[in-house]
Amino acid sequence: GQQVMQIPQYQHVQEGEDFTTYCNSSTTLSNIQWYKQRPGGHPVFLIQLVKSGEVKKQKRLTFQFGEAKKNSSLHITATQTTDVGTYFCAGPLVTGGGNKLTFGTGTQLKVEL
Amino acid sequence: DGGITQSPKYLFRKEGQNVTLSCEQNLNHDAMYWYRQDPGQGLRLIYYSQIVNDFQKGDIAEGYSVSREKKESFPLTVTSAQKNPTAFYLCASMTLDRGFVGELFFGEGSRLTVL
Repeated sequence: GQQVMQIPQYQHVQEGEDFTTYCNSSTTLSNIQWYKQRPGGHPVFLIQLVKSGEVKKQKRLTFQFGEAKKNSSLHITATQTTDVGTYFCAGPLVTGGGNKLTFGTGTQLKVEL
Repeated sequence: DGGITQSPKYLFRKEGQNVTLSCEQNLNHDAMYWYRQDPGQGLRLIYYSQIVNDFQKGDIAEGYSVSREKKESFPLTVTSAQKNPTAFYLCASMTLDRGFVGELFFGEGSRLTVL
């Protein structure tokens, strides 16, 4: 079945360092979404990318969708303690139909002062 | 405020008991979803519903049941047949009027512990 993998699984950084998480799908995705889940909280939608090669920015966060629409990345410049949490990518399941998202395995980010 | 309300937030259950988790949304979304999250893990789809009185199994439906009698409500029952029910359960909804799979709105979750 369709799988969505993320690397790394964990990342510890010093405040001010950059951070990147990578998302890879076994199949082509019509779009890719990114969510953030704070410790003890629920996932919150960050952004959706639809076009091949698309790049979007939200302040210190940069999101990319690969040319083949099978991979994506999230880059955070100059991390802050407020960036702590787990970042998930998610894409629509193609096989079997239905409007549903398959979530990646997530990258847990810890930021130390 | 529009949103998704899950209850209870915390629930303890003895082995062999069924338990029902509530999920209500006032976003007028057509589709609703139940995900399970285990510590340090991603989200796995249990069941979803795109229209009232209809629902489909997700990847890990065994030991769970759902109903969708109203557009606003999508309760999940964790039955005694579910072998490892201790987990964080997340309900979500999505509008289907955009013509493509859009963003999910999540509730705050229900944390179930089986004693």
